[in-house]
Amino acid sequence: NAGVTQTPKFQVLKTGQSMTLQCAQDMNHEYMSWYRQDPGMGLRLIHYSVGAGITDQGEVPNGYNVSRSTTEDFPLRLLSAAPSQTSVYFCASSSTGGNQPQHFGDGTRLSIL
Amino acid sequence: AQSVTQLDSQVPVFEEAPVELRCNYSSSVSVYLFWYVQYPNQGLQLLLKYLSGSTLVESINGFEAEFNKSQTSFHLRKPSVHISDTAEYFCAVSPMNTGFQKLVFGTGTRLLVSP
Repeated sequence: NAGVTQTPKFQVLKTGQSMTLQCAQDMNHEYMSWYRQDPGMGLRLIHYSVGAGITDQGEVPNGYNVSRSTTEDFPLRLLSAAPSQTSVYFCASSSTGGNQPQHFGDGTRLSIL
Repeated sequence: AQSVTQLDSQVPVFEEAPVELRCNYSSSVSVYLFWYVQYPNQGLQLLLKYLSGSTLVESINGFEAEFNKSQTSFHLRKPSVHISDTAEYFCAVSPMNTGFQKLVFGTGTRLLVSP
């Protein structure tokens, strides 16, 4: 069972570089989301999607773009990386319904120098 | 809007001792409540959830949490902890009126169990 797969696991970028964090799920979940985890701040929602072609902003969307062309994939793009985006990023997916548990990937640890 | 408060950033405890991790929330709408656990270098895993019905919910590994609507709390307890319970625990809420789980997390409590 693959579940939610995130790549890469680690990445170091220079300020101003761009990159895409990949997220794929094999559970046919409609709902997918991206969070960032920072010390002392818990997890904060960046963007989410309720289905292919539908995305919306979360609590901290600035500096990030997303798209959802398929049910399985939900990539997160940093167009011009900044040191403030140094964080651990988690992707999650779930079935529709507010009572359905979210399944998390193992995270991507991103450092911006 | 919702917010979740976990006042204790770290809770040290000896093995086989009881523990309580506190969680309070505020919301203008009804919410589902969750506890997630994060082991080192891993993603979050659902520990238990309160959706409706009995206010006391239990997990398969001995944790329990009680929903108290009047105090807007959802504290997590375990009567006897093990070394393997060392992890970070996150309380989270999701509004019932969205049709999908839009989680708002607390800042987390790191449980440190020592022999």
